[in-house]
Amino acid sequence: EAGVAQSPRYKIIEKRQSVAFWCNPISGHATLYWYQQILGQGPKLLIQFQNNGVVDDSQLPKDRFSAERLKGVDSTLKIQPAKLEDSAVYLCASSLAQHSGNTIYFGEGSWLTVV
Amino acid sequence: GQNIDQPTEMTATEGAIVQINCTYQTSGFNGLFWYQQHAGEAPTFLSYNVLDGLEEKGRFSSFLSRSKGYSYLLLKELQMKDSASYLCAVGDDKIIFGKGTRLHILP
Repeated sequence: EAGVAQSPRYKIIEKRQSVAFWCNPISGHATLYWYQQILGQGPKLLIQFQNNGVVDDSQLPKDRFSAERLKGVDSTLKIQPAKLEDSAVYLCASSLAQHSGNTIYFGEGSWLTVV
Repeated sequence: GQNIDQPTEMTATEGAIVQINCTYQTSGFNGLFWYQQHAGEAPTFLSYNVLDGLEEKGRFSSFLSRSKGYSYLLLKELQMKDSASYLCAVGDDKIIFGKGTRLHILP
């Protein structure tokens, strides 16, 4: 079974530039998550989708971050304009359904460095 | 509010046993997860507890006490490959992760 696919794996951009990350979840998984993980910290949930609807985006900095999952399958996360503090790993994850014991499976992450 | 606490770092010796503790305070509770994360890699699922008690899976065991807001991950017969960060995560309407415990294994 294919896992969660993410691209690009690594990206270096200058501050104030924009960047987009793509994620394809495990086939059949209705719930998709984007987490931000800063070095030395645990993953922080940015946004959670159930099919193509947003379940939670309370910690998404909406002035610069946006995410969509138009057809309820793959998703993109965009940052515009980027700040130095956005340097982090952006982890996409998926699960069969919203949490009630459903295991979350993570992709390998997209490493962003903002200089 | 929601808060998950775990030690920042721990060190243990190859072949020994180590216990990583996690305490949590959340508005709701739908279970507790432990994930393992090697440096530069994504977190991988280790265990899930929703009822009080001990869940054993090979060399790894996880314990939960809901009344105390407490869990631990027990790793036995430590191997060098167990050097990693261990993340405690609590599920409510969403899953919140702690900051992780970096475990160093000495030969």
